[in-house]
Amino acid sequence: AQTIHQWPVAEIKAVGSPLSLGCTIKGKSSPNLYWYWQATGGTLQQLFYSITVGQVESVVQLNLSASRPKDDQFILSTEKLLLSHSGFYLCAWSLRAGGAETLYFGSGTRLTVL
Amino acid sequence: GDSVTQTEGPVTVSESESLIINCTYSATSIAYPNLFWYVRYPGEGLQLLLKVITAGQKGSSRGFEATYNKETTSFHLQKASVQESDSAVYYCALGDNNNAPRFGAGTKLSVKP
Repeated sequence: AQTIHQWPVAEIKAVGSPLSLGCTIKGKSSPNLYWYWQATGGTLQQLFYSITVGQVESVVQLNLSASRPKDDQFILSTEKLLLSHSGFYLCAWSLRAGGAETLYFGSGTRLTVL
Repeated sequence: GDSVTQTEGPVTVSESESLIINCTYSATSIAYPNLFWYVRYPGEGLQLLLKVITAGQKGSSRGFEATYNKETTSFHLQKASVQESDSAVYYCALGDNNNAPRFGAGTKLSVKP
């Protein structure tokens, strides 16, 4: 069975500090990977997606970056956090690309920027 | 652009009462969007509840139903008799064949015993 693990569960960071969030998928080769973000009271927005190692597409510009260094790993990062980065970050995978596909989500990371 | 609007929460109902969570969508760039309901139970990750990819069809799961209505651009989630274990946050979403789903803001449901 496939499992998705996100880390950390929660972070409290200062404005201007760096950030790295991670996601690992086990039990599925070559998954399509996604980062989603939800600000408090906002909608769940797709930030990035990747269909293969080393290739990441940006969907929303939030002064964040993403990388896929391995087939089963997806990293979200920034060198300087903003207050507006606070929220809930979710990693997800799907079998194939496309909007008819079911997304399988991790448990998420709650980020508070002070 | 394409978007989803759903019932603003929180919603509180008593056990065994009926429930409807409204979802309407705007799909200006998608002729035939795919429609989803996802749910996040307390302490768990977001997971698919049901999906419908054909207009006019109904999806069902765990006693919940939703019908894809292209005329009213709606995909309301209904359940005839809720249980305390249905307490969760429910997200409506739409997707096209080229992009991952776009989500609504979520509706927090609390079911009182």
